Amino acid sequence: QSVLTQPPSVSGAPGQRVTISCTGSSSSIGAGYDVHWYQQLPGTAPKLLIYGSINRPSGVPERFSGSKSGTSASLAITGLQADDEADYYCQSHDSSLITYVFGTGTKVTVL
Amino acid sequence: QVQLQESGPGLVKPSETLSLTCSVSGDSISGYYWSWIRQPPGKGPEWIGYINYSGSTSYNPSLKSRVTISVDMSKEQFSLKLSSVTAADTAMYYCARCIAAAGFGFDIWGQGTMVTVSS
Repeated sequence: QSVLTQPPSVSGAPGQRVTISCTGSSSSIGAGYDVHWYQQLPGTAPKLLIYGSINRPSGVPERFSGSKSGTSASLAITGLQADDEADYYCQSHDSSLITYVFGTGTKVTVL
Repeated sequence: QVQLQESGPGLVKPSETLSLTCSVSGDSISGYYWSWIRQPPGKGPEWIGYINYSGSTSYNPSLKSRVTISVDMSKEQFSLKLSSVTAADTAMYYCARCIAAAGFGFDIWGQGTMVTVSS
């Protein structure tokens, strides 16, 4: 049911910057709905990284940042670290499906 | 800080009803929206539905005919019932708190409970 498309994988060397895209539509991100991002380490529950498209919860490092434009959103990770290896999901609302939706997920690998 | 803990059977037979409870500790259940989210093995999360402190609910249309979410304020718990389950309902089930004021993200999650549908 996912209507938010993410690249299956991205990789980078320690210290580098990587970005993860989240492509929606005119009924989801393009309709003005907020985008949220989650990090899921193996065997654990998702953890909120970014809410309201650009805001970091308390305790989330400044290395993580979010942006939104048109029908897409992005998560950037700067100063990539080994413990950033995880699956990352975007989430928003879709007015045509009338439900909250998650992205297809992106696996980040630190080389 | 706020903590959520799911509980319920880990094995449910096909055609039966899956029942899970989420216990909230560290804060009151009132004033917030609370969701159930599931994640099949190797797949992304899927939102099931939410309930607020006054009992107002909203469900994923794809599951709406089979889902009931309820709240017990006195016990600081909310519950999920999913009827007529099949193997496709096998998943990790999470309860989570919703940030209603910021576009309905989920800021606090339980550790999850794995539910397998099998005879």
